[in-house]
Amino acid sequence: DAGVIQSPRHEVTEMGQEVTLRCKPISGHNSLFWYRQTMMRGLELLIYFNNNVPIDDSGMPEDRFSAKMPNASFSTLKIQPSEPRDSAVYFCASIRTAGRLNTEAFFGQGTRLTVV
Amino acid sequence: LAKTTQPISMDSYEGQEVNITCSHNNIATNDYITWYQQFPSQGPRFIIQGYKTKVTNEVASLFIPADRKSSTLSLPRVSLSDTAVYYCLVGDRGIKAAGNKLTFGGGTRVLVKP
Repeated sequence: DAGVIQSPRHEVTEMGQEVTLRCKPISGHNSLFWYRQTMMRGLELLIYFNNNVPIDDSGMPEDRFSAKMPNASFSTLKIQPSEPRDSAVYFCASIRTAGRLNTEAFFGQGTRLTVV
Repeated sequence: LAKTTQPISMDSYEGQEVNITCSHNNIATNDYITWYQQFPSQGPRFIIQGYKTKVTNEVASLFIPADRKSSTLSLPRVSLSDTAVYYCLVGDRGIKAAGNKLTFGGGTRVLVKP
């Protein structure tokens, strides 16, 4: 398996523009997480899905952020409009529930977003 | 979720053993202890997980005392490439942990010097 795949790896955009980050989880994994990482705030959980359903989005900073998971193999995180303070590395992770237990989480390589 | 406390940073030298202790005083009966490692410019990577006593794999050992209120990650004979941030997480690994937020704290920044 190629692991969790995120695209793009780098994104530079102007303030006010819409940004869409993409994630393909590992096949067979049924939970997906979106994180944001900055030096100041560390690794913050934004939202997570279980079986394609959003379970907790309390970490989403504001209404400018939205996330979808239309199927088990794809998720998007959208920022509209983007602001300079959104600049960060965004990670996607997936995990598989095996029977009654969760296995380890696998992270993608991240998308480095710069909003100028 | 049980809150965890770990040192902000640690320095070591090549060839030494590094021990990172994580405190989790209000760990619940169903909670497991999991450690992740994050290299610069990469996502976190699972290292080891345990419930009690000792767990060892090819990367590290995890020591958990009987009261489970703390745990120690041990990295034997570190090399420069072990420089990373190490995160301790505590949470239920059971089915309802599909609702487990997989929340990361600040982690411990380990710097291995030559």
